[in-house]
Amino acid sequence: KNEVEQSPQNLTAQEGEFITINCSYSVGISALHWLQQHPGGGIVSLFMLSSGKKKHGRLIATINIQEKHSSLHITASHPRDSAVYICAAVLSGNTPLVFGKGTRLSVIA
Amino acid sequence: DGGITQSPKYLFRKEGQNVTLSCEQNLNHDAMYWYRQDPGQGLRLIYYSQIVNDFQKGDIAEGYSVSREKKESFPLTVTSAQKNPTAFYLCASSLEGPDTGELFFGEGSRLTVL
Repeated sequence: KNEVEQSPQNLTAQEGEFITINCSYSVGISALHWLQQHPGGGIVSLFMLSSGKKKHGRLIATINIQEKHSSLHITASHPRDSAVYICAAVLSGNTPLVFGKGTRLSVIA
Repeated sequence: DGGITQSPKYLFRKEGQNVTLSCEQNLNHDAMYWYRQDPGQGLRLIYYSQIVNDFQKGDIAEGYSVSREKKESFPLTVTSAQKNPTAFYLCASSLEGPDTGELFFGEGSRLTVL
């Protein structure tokens, strides 16, 4: 069983909708990353969180360390947001990342 | 502009051949990583290096080798011992460990074994 689980696996939304992608983990972590993978394969880092909430443009990421859960929200979604969104956890200290399998988002105009 | 450069983007190999994927960064990052991505699966760690002349095996190191002779370079060799090498390979870097800040990824190298 993967230590990092994402839901949903696939998500289709109409342009303008509010989107939520969830990430849960079964062990203690020191930080969590949200990444965006474009159709061509390149990956861009969106956020790194260890507590609370971060916002960048239409993207908001939250984390609740005690509940072992993080969410990525996209407000006013747009077709250019279509991508695979991946969460990755730093389990402790300096250990390598553990990745979720990703959520494939399609936003339709 | 600072970033990570991977090459080649596409690579075809015959069975039994070794191939080397290049990864270069000009971000002055200490930590570098190689991941493999297969359809429907999360990224899996092959090797990582936190300092020059030192590297550690990840979860799926068998059939792969790396070197870290220079801070900016972390090439990955896919050897003939790798049973199923067809995959998408991603190189990444971070300032120090993965909890120290933003991760930077290359554009990836897609390897196909004929």
